[in-house]
Amino acid sequence: AQSVAQPEDQVNVAEGNPLTVKCTYSVSGNPYLFWYVQYPNRGLQFLLKYITGDNLVKGSYGFEAEFNKSQTSFHLKKPSALVSDSALYFCAVTLGGTNAGKSTFGDGTTLTVKP
Amino acid sequence: DGGITQSPKYLFRKEGQNVTLSCEQNLNHDAMYWYRQDPGQGLRLIYYSQIVNDFQKGDIAEGYSVSREKKESFPLTVTSAQKNPTAFYLCASSIVPTNTGELFFGEGSRLTVL
Repeated sequence: AQSVAQPEDQVNVAEGNPLTVKCTYSVSGNPYLFWYVQYPNRGLQFLLKYITGDNLVKGSYGFEAEFNKSQTSFHLKKPSALVSDSALYFCAVTLGGTNAGKSTFGDGTTLTVKP
Repeated sequence: DGGITQSPKYLFRKEGQNVTLSCEQNLNHDAMYWYRQDPGQGLRLIYYSQIVNDFQKGDIAEGYSVSREKKESFPLTVTSAQKNPTAFYLCASSIVPTNTGELFFGEGSRLTVL
């Protein structure tokens, strides 16, 4: 079985400060890891993914994430937050291959960036 | 532009009625999925389909049914057997078999049972 934990329901940061949204995972095998963002009453949008290779992956809107195999973590980061980054963020894990779309999602973290 | 279209965006249903949510994609993706989202919870998989005329149950399939008669379409029926159907429903698709896993989502359908 695979699972994802997002330990913080809410993250608050000031505009211009760095932000981190945490994610840890549990999976038997090599994970494919994803971050998605959701704005109110909208679908999810893909931000970035880790499949293999460099542990630091870069994605859309200046976001990046670091894969840490020993800590089974995949934290989302951004050096300088914008008010427009305020949204609901989901981490997801899958084993890839033909089952890749059967992703397991965390419960989500609400990011609020204050001016 | 390619994408996934869900309709209706908002739907109200009386108890005991079946309703069908539409999902159409023009991305030429093989796999399609239905997820349910409740406040404070992650997405939960209802059904998925990797090829036409074939689909599998996800984690919470009870009270739901689907069909996959065309590659582009994957409608979801919420039956009267679903005990708590009020939720936000998301349709998604992905590429198979060289699948690197990311999902492409529609804008969602919000179902409210009166």
